[in-house]
Amino acid sequence: DAKTTQPNSMESNEEEPVHLPCNHSTISGTDYIHWYRQLPSQGPEYVIHGLTSNVNNRMASLAIAEDRKSSTLILHRATLRDAAVYYCILASYGNQGGKLIFGQGTELSVKP
Amino acid sequence: EAGVTQFPSHSVIEKGQTVTLRCDPISGHDNLYWYRRVMGKEIKFLLHFVKESKQDESGMPNNRFLAERTGGTYSTLKVQPAELEDSGVYFCASSRKGTQWTEAFFGQGTRLTVV
Repeated sequence: DAKTTQPNSMESNEEEPVHLPCNHSTISGTDYIHWYRQLPSQGPEYVIHGLTSNVNNRMASLAIAEDRKSSTLILHRATLRDAAVYYCILASYGNQGGKLIFGQGTELSVKP
Repeated sequence: EAGVTQFPSHSVIEKGQTVTLRCDPISGHDNLYWYRRVMGKEIKFLLHFVKESKQDESGMPNNRFLAERTGGTYSTLKVQPAELEDSGVYFCASSRKGTQWTEAFFGQGTRLTVV
């Protein structure tokens, strides 16, 4: 399974944008880029995913480099509830579903 | 829509005892996954069911772990006999079957402590 590299931790101020980077230089053509986050004492929660094009949803935006070797999760206005560990995960998908390989993730802290 | 539910939320057992964890996936989700995080480590995949069939059990650590999903609904993960290193948080996740990738929904986890 392809690996990702993320900073161990990042800090942000409330109501400011946050850019969480992820490097995945060994990504294959069939790998989707997924982001999950884990709030304290909860299970992981889906944030967003993409293949080649940038993606937006109600939670965040995903910017994917043209060569797909890196991506950035963008939280447009961080809130205190966004403090969590964010995981960037590569996963291929077959019609029988696919497992997720978690790394260490980035622990995001948000200051008031 | 009810989310993924796991029972119990916490379990403390003695080494050598047996523990059974239960996961109720979201209704209609064919895919069911078990993951766990042991102390200080990353979340690790254990196995994947499609309905009642084991699709991938490459992450199961040893034969003390037995997962079942009879009837393709809820799943159980039994640890027998439990060892100290089995302590950690066990997560269950489910997703719909489809022709494209679908989001996995995780439960709150079961915190297992073996003493």
